[in-house]
Amino acid sequence: DVKVTQSSRYLVKRTGEKVFLECVQDMDHENMFWYRQDPGLGLRLIYFSYDVKMKEKGDIPEGYSVSREKKERFSLILESASTNQTSMYLCASRIFSGNHNEQFFGPGTRLTVL
Amino acid sequence: AQKVTQAQTEISVVEKEDVTLDCVYETRDTTYYLFWYKQPPSGELVFLIRRNSFDEQNEISGRYSWNFQKSTSSFNFTITASQVVDSAVYFCALSEANTGGFKTIFGAGTRLFVKA
Repeated sequence: DVKVTQSSRYLVKRTGEKVFLECVQDMDHENMFWYRQDPGLGLRLIYFSYDVKMKEKGDIPEGYSVSREKKERFSLILESASTNQTSMYLCASRIFSGNHNEQFFGPGTRLTVL
Repeated sequence: AQKVTQAQTEISVVEKEDVTLDCVYETRDTTYYLFWYKQPPSGELVFLIRRNSFDEQNEISGRYSWNFQKSTSSFNFTITASQVVDSAVYFCALSEANTGGFKTIFGAGTRLFVKA
């Protein structure tokens, strides 16, 4: 089974702090994704990476950056956390092979910025 | 532009009732993929089904069934004889082949409550 893990389930930070959210997958998937989930808005794509050291902006990249130095690990960085970044953050990975392009998700990190 | 609409925000049913979750999508691409995911209270989204645009066959998996109709741009999900364990948020999603499938658009989700 694919396993996607995220470093924290719950995180509380203060405005202006630098925040790192870590995601690790164990299935050698090329593609990895970061989403945020907010009530009534579903999941929105922040950044994705189609391979090591490659990254692309998603729909809402402002205020975020990412790092992918190793295939299994994809980090989301909030350079200076703000209260409007309080949200649930979900990491996902995927192997893209023909039609097999469903994503596998981690348990999520609920971040609160005070 | 791609868009996914799940008009039902919350649905509440009593155990053993059948329930249908609606999903309407918009896309200009001729090749696309549709998905349903389940998010139980634990928070982790679980993949349920993928359908590509060339395959309009309906699918049944145990108590779950999916009705894909390109004519109405809908991909509805029915749970037969619902159970308390079906209580979750369900997301419908769409990804277009012309984005390499990298940009998946999710609906807002439908929260299903199944009461014993």
